[in-house]
Amino acid sequence: QVQLQESGPGLLKPSETLSLTCTVSGVSGDSINPFYWAWIRQSPGKEFEWIGNIYYSGSTNYNPSLKSRVTMSVDTSKNQVSLKLISVTAADTAVYYCARMAGASGAYARFWGQGTLVTVSS
Amino acid sequence: DIQMTQSPSTLSTSVGDRVTITCRASQSVRTWLAWYQQKPGKAPNLLMYKASNLENGVPSRFSGSGSGTEFTLTISSLQPDDVATYYCQQYINYPWTFGQGTKVEI
Repeated sequence: QVQLQESGPGLLKPSETLSLTCTVSGVSGDSINPFYWAWIRQSPGKEFEWIGNIYYSGSTNYNPSLKSRVTMSVDTSKNQVSLKLISVTAADTAVYYCARMAGASGAYARFWGQGTLVTVSS
Repeated sequence: DIQMTQSPSTLSTSVGDRVTITCRASQSVRTWLAWYQQKPGKAPNLLMYKASNLENGVPSRFSGSGSGTEFTLTISSLQPDDVATYYCQQYINYPWTFGQGTKVEI
C-alpha cells in the first residue's frame, strides 16, 4: 500500500512562501512513476480546493485561481513531490494534502497523505 | 469553474436506514464524478469513481448513480462506521471542483 507523507512548516507569516514536500513510500514499485500527483487543500470551513496536478514527467496543470502563485515539482530520485505557494495570506490557511491520482489526466484521488495544517498569521 | 452543490448539508439518520445524498453540477459532467468519505481528523477516502464504479475494498452497501448534472450516493443500510462527511468531485474540466459536503450523523 502506497504511503504519502506531507512535511513542511506549519506556521507562516503573510507574504511568506509556503513550501511543502510529499514523500512517497510503500511496497516495492510504489514510486513517483508513472502517476499523476496532486495537491489539494481543505479550508477551516471544510471545503476542498484542488491546487493542481503534476505528472511524473513534470508536466503540470494548476488551478487558475492560484496559478500565478503556485509551482509544483517532482524529484523521482527521492520519490518526492513538492509544492511552493508564494505570497501567502490568511486565506491560504488550510490542511494541505498530497494525493496520488488515478484516471485519465489524474482525475480523482485514490491515495491521500494524512495532511498537514498550514496556518498563516502575523 | 463547474460548481458542485450537495444536498442535504446534514443528514440525521439511524443504523439500518437507507441514505441518499445528492450532488448537482452547474453544467454536465457526463459521468466524470467521484465520491469521497471523510471521517473527523482523517484524510478523505475514495468511494466511487466514474459516478458508479465502486473503489476496491469499499463495502457493497455503497452505490452511485447519475449522469449529466445530477448524481446520487446511496448507502443501502447505514452502519455506525459510515458516520462521516461525504464529498463529490467533478473531473470533466479543470479545475477539478468539489461539493461542499454532506455530514451523515446517527
